[in-house]
Amino acid sequence: DAGVIQSPRHEVTEMGQEVTLRCKPISGHNSLFWYRQTMMRGLELLIYFNNNVPIDDSGMPEDRFSAKMPNASFSTLKIQPSEPRDSAVYFCASRTAGASSYNEQFFGPGTRLTVL
Amino acid sequence: DAKTTQPNSMESNEEEPVHLPCNHSTISGTDYIHWYRQLPSQGPEYVIHGLTSNVNNRMASLAIAEDRKSSTLILHRATLRDAAVYYCIPTSGTYKYIFGTGTRLKVLA
Repeated sequence: DAGVIQSPRHEVTEMGQEVTLRCKPISGHNSLFWYRQTMMRGLELLIYFNNNVPIDDSGMPEDRFSAKMPNASFSTLKIQPSEPRDSAVYFCASRTAGASSYNEQFFGPGTRLTVL
Repeated sequence: DAKTTQPNSMESNEEEPVHLPCNHSTISGTDYIHWYRQLPSQGPEYVIHGLTSNVNNRMASLAIAEDRKSSTLILHRATLRDAAVYYCIPTSGTYKYIFGTGTRLKVLA
């Protein structure tokens, strides 16, 4: 299995530009998570999908952030317009089943975003 | 969500055991205790989890205190590849993992 795939691995953009991060979860997993990691705030959950439906988006910082999961094998996280404070590493994770507390999450390699 | 306390950093010599402690005094009775680690420039990866009993797997052992207010992750023989940030995460039976600051483990050759 290829694991969780994220693209691009690195993104450098200018303030005000639209940024789209992509994630392909592990085949057969029906839960998907987007996280953001910064030095100041650590690793934070942004949004959680179950069976392609957003269940909890309370971690999305503001309306500039949006996430979609059009099918079980693809998700996007979009920032429009981007700001320098959005610079971070964004991780996607997936897991099987529903809300069980003992199903581990598998993380992708992350996308390092730099907004100038 | 249970609050956790972990040492900021620890050091170990290669090939020696490492005991990584975690205090979670506000843990609820149904919280599992998960441990994840994050190697440099990678996403977190699952290490082990448990509820009440001590647990072993190919990566590590997890010792859980009888009152469940603390746990210890045990790496039996640390290698250079074990250098990472280790996170202790009590989960409340839902999907939401709260990653704290973790313990940065340095392994000395």
